[in-house]
Amino acid sequence: GQQLNQSPQSMFIQEGEDVSMNCTSSSIFNTWLWYKQDPGEGPVLLIALYKAGELTSNGRLTAQFGITRKDSFLNISASIPSDVGIYFCAGGGGADGLTFGKGTHLIIQP
Amino acid sequence: ETGVTQTPRHLVMGMTNKKSLKCEQHLGHNAMYWYKQSAKKPLELMFVYSLEERVENNSVPSRFSPECPNSSHLFLHLHTLQPEDSALYLCASSQRAQGYEQFFGPGTRLTVL
Repeated sequence: GQQLNQSPQSMFIQEGEDVSMNCTSSSIFNTWLWYKQDPGEGPVLLIALYKAGELTSNGRLTAQFGITRKDSFLNISASIPSDVGIYFCAGGGGADGLTFGKGTHLIIQP
Repeated sequence: ETGVTQTPRHLVMGMTNKKSLKCEQHLGHNAMYWYKQSAKKPLELMFVYSLEERVENNSVPSRFSPECPNSSHLFLHLHTLQPEDSALYLCASSQRAQGYEQFFGPGTRLTVL
């Protein structure tokens, strides 16, 4: 089946720093989605990307749909304590389900 | 609040028990999903329902039995589970016509003793 490689697996940063994470795949996707999951909760959709090359922002978050349709990145600027959590990328490619990455654990040190 | 609710939030059961997980979506969507989330593994798609018909069953053991009585409700019936089935079970919904955006419930944390 399709697989996504999400990196890094975890990040330890200082409050105020910028964050960058990405997902790559050997398969082409028609959609890239980025979710955040807090402990004990379900994933919450942050950004959805539908076109190759598309760059979309949501507040301090910016995500891009790679031009090859095989990758995507998510940047968070000026991190704050509530950014802590697990970030998942997901690729959509024709079937009803999504293929998810393993997640990036973001830990912020004050 | 994403518009998708799940009950119970926590469940502990023995291997011989029968229990059910419930999901309800208030978003007017017509597709619903069950996922399993285990530590150190990606979310695993279990079942997909579209317009109340099961369109995907990802080689899930028969001890998991889904039911979708209408477009707003989804159940996962559990019986004779194994300890390795302990995980967070997530329900999601989407409006298929609008692409792949799926909205998740808070999950049920299941522990099988």
